[in-house]
Amino acid sequence: GAVVSQHPSRVICKSGTSVKIECRSLDFQATTMFWYRQFPKQSLMLMATSNEGSKATYEQGVEKDKFLINHASLTLSTLTVTSAHPEDSSFYICSARAAGGPDTQYFGPGTRLTVL
Amino acid sequence: GENVEQHPSTLSVQEGDSAVIKCTYSDSASNYFPWYKQELGKRPQLIIDIRSNVGEKKDQRIAVTLNKTAKHFSLHITETQPEDSAVYFCAASPGYSTLTFGKGTMLLVSP
Repeated sequence: GAVVSQHPSRVICKSGTSVKIECRSLDFQATTMFWYRQFPKQSLMLMATSNEGSKATYEQGVEKDKFLINHASLTLSTLTVTSAHPEDSSFYICSARAAGGPDTQYFGPGTRLTVL
Repeated sequence: GENVEQHPSTLSVQEGDSAVIKCTYSDSASNYFPWYKQELGKRPQLIIDIRSNVGEKKDQRIAVTLNKTAKHFSLHITETQPEDSAVYFCAASPGYSTLTFGKGTMLLVSP
């Protein structure tokens, strides 16, 4: 149980394009999902907290107009990197917390974004 | 906000030895402390967690201890195996809130 999927697993795009990443909880409902960014050999840095049906809460320093988050259902949250640039290249990982359950976060497999 | 310090950054042991990773946290409101294992290019996987109402928790070769007074918690792996090689992250949370991660420990277990 507690499986989280993420798509795509890898994306390469040209500078200036937008990229959408999907995070799904497959066997549970997630009222809260989290989006992290991880640079090579570094820790996970929380970008934003996504609550179903409401606006995301962004961490300090994260541009909400650049990283658009939508949590339209209890099993799906999306992160759109708008007008991506090479400095946005990173490993993006989502996690989900089950509705009404313990506060354990289960992570998706991550999306490797490379912006040329 | 919460600040989590993790040591050491790298740890090399021989197969069969024990490994200990230590973390300290700053927010006394934190009451949930998970440990994650992350292999290269993979997702972090929860290996064990502890809540502030207990001081120690064990699951086979893995144990976690918590000292709330001193605000530190540790991961203990006994009888290490090469497949234990990975990056380990500790985290802290005041519960039903965001996780603050440590910087990670790269554990290398040599056969």
